[in-house]
Amino acid sequence: AQSVTQPDIHITVSEGASLELRCNYSYGATPYLFWYVQSPGQGLQLLLKYFSGDTLVQGIKGFEAEFKRSQSSFNLRKPSVHWSDAAEYFCAVGNPSGSARQLTFGSGTQLTVLP
Amino acid sequence: DTAVSQTPKYLVTQMGNDKSIKCEQNLGHDTMYWYKQDSKKFLKIMFSYNNKELIINETVPNRFSPKSPDKAHLNLHINSLELGDSAVYFCASSQAESYGYTFGSGTRLTVV
Repeated sequence: AQSVTQPDIHITVSEGASLELRCNYSYGATPYLFWYVQSPGQGLQLLLKYFSGDTLVQGIKGFEAEFKRSQSSFNLRKPSVHWSDAAEYFCAVGNPSGSARQLTFGSGTQLTVLP
Repeated sequence: DTAVSQTPKYLVTQMGNDKSIKCEQNLGHDTMYWYKQDSKKFLKIMFSYNNKELIINETVPNRFSPKSPDKAHLNLHINSLELGDSAVYFCASSQAESYGYTFGSGTRLTVV
């Protein structure tokens, strides 16, 4: 069964600092990989996704993520964080061979941005 | 236009009541989902429908019954509500070739 681990429950960074959120997955082959962001009281918004090809993926709001097969990781990065980036971030994996397109989500990382 | 809309946004009800949450998507997607997010923000899939056919039914109490009258709608009916059902319920949809989900804004259910 596929699983996702986000080791950091809560991260605090200063505005303008760089950010890296960690995500590790467990799956027999290369899964589909996603990052979502959830602002307070809102639904989840897709930031970026990886299916195949270039392992560095660009997303919305200046985010990027890098797939590293050897480390089973898909870490999210942003070079300069803005106060509006404060939110909950979820990594998710999907099964490319599955018919149901079910996503398994990590437990989330809460990002706090200091002024 | 809201892509995936859920109603109501908030629902407060007493134990033992029966309630429904509605979901509609106007994206033309062929698959819809219900996810439950608990107080620790953990998201777990409950159901998935593809073209009105149930394709995922995770281990949830049979008090929860999804209904999909057409591929644009997936409603969730809950019988005999319990305190432990309090959570945020998210509807989502996806299309075969894109795989990413579009989520609704959630329904916060509080059982008292």
